Amino acid sequence: TQLLEQSPQFLSIQEGENLTVYCNSSSVFSSLQWYRQEPGEGPVLLVTVVTGGEVKKLKRLTFQFGDARKDSSLHITAAQPGDTGLYLCAGAIRSGTPDKLIFGTGTRLQVFP
Amino acid sequence: EPEVTQTPSHQVTQMGQEVILRCVPISNHLYFYWYRQILGQKVEFLVSFYNNEISEKSEIFDDQFSVERPDGSNFTLKIRSTKLEDSAMYFCATRDYNEQFFGPGTRLTVL
Repeated sequence: TQLLEQSPQFLSIQEGENLTVYCNSSSVFSSLQWYRQEPGEGPVLLVTVVTGGEVKKLKRLTFQFGDARKDSSLHITAAQPGDTGLYLCAGAIRSGTPDKLIFGTGTRLQVFP
Repeated sequence: EPEVTQTPSHQVTQMGQEVILRCVPISNHLYFYWYRQILGQKVEFLVSFYNNEISEKSEIFDDQFSVERPDGSNFTLKIRSTKLEDSAMYFCATRDYNEQFFGPGTRLTVL
């Protein structure tokens, strides 16, 4: 059974602070995706990382894929209230065609003004 | 920008009834998925579909579940005899290269 552990589960910070969310597994993923999910809505794709060691930036968000493709991190610089939401990591398992996603438990971020 | 659409947004049904959840994938995507999310829990894989057949299914996807692409555009998930524990958000996803794009979901409530 593949598991993807996300930490922390909850994070409350003040506007302007930096934060990092971690996503760890013992499984190797063919790619890893980060999503953001609002209540009652579907996950919205933020970024996909494919290569071990890859770093991608999306404005104030920096995503990194571990060298062994088992873990990933999301770093937000100078968080803003608009960043408030549920962040999900999801690893693609190549068990056949097509790949399926294994989701983490999510990190609920609250940014206070 | 193309997006995955799902209908209905909310379905309420009695236990034992059949429900069909519908999805219109992004055109030219070839890989389709259903996931579900029970309230307060993580998103779980149900089934993947490619080339008009199931590629993989999870333990959750038992004989009560079926999928099909009846007309080349819609992608449907049928639950033949719903149970209380089937109450969840059901998400359709379609894939382009390495990325899966999710629909807004159908909230299924089984009474």
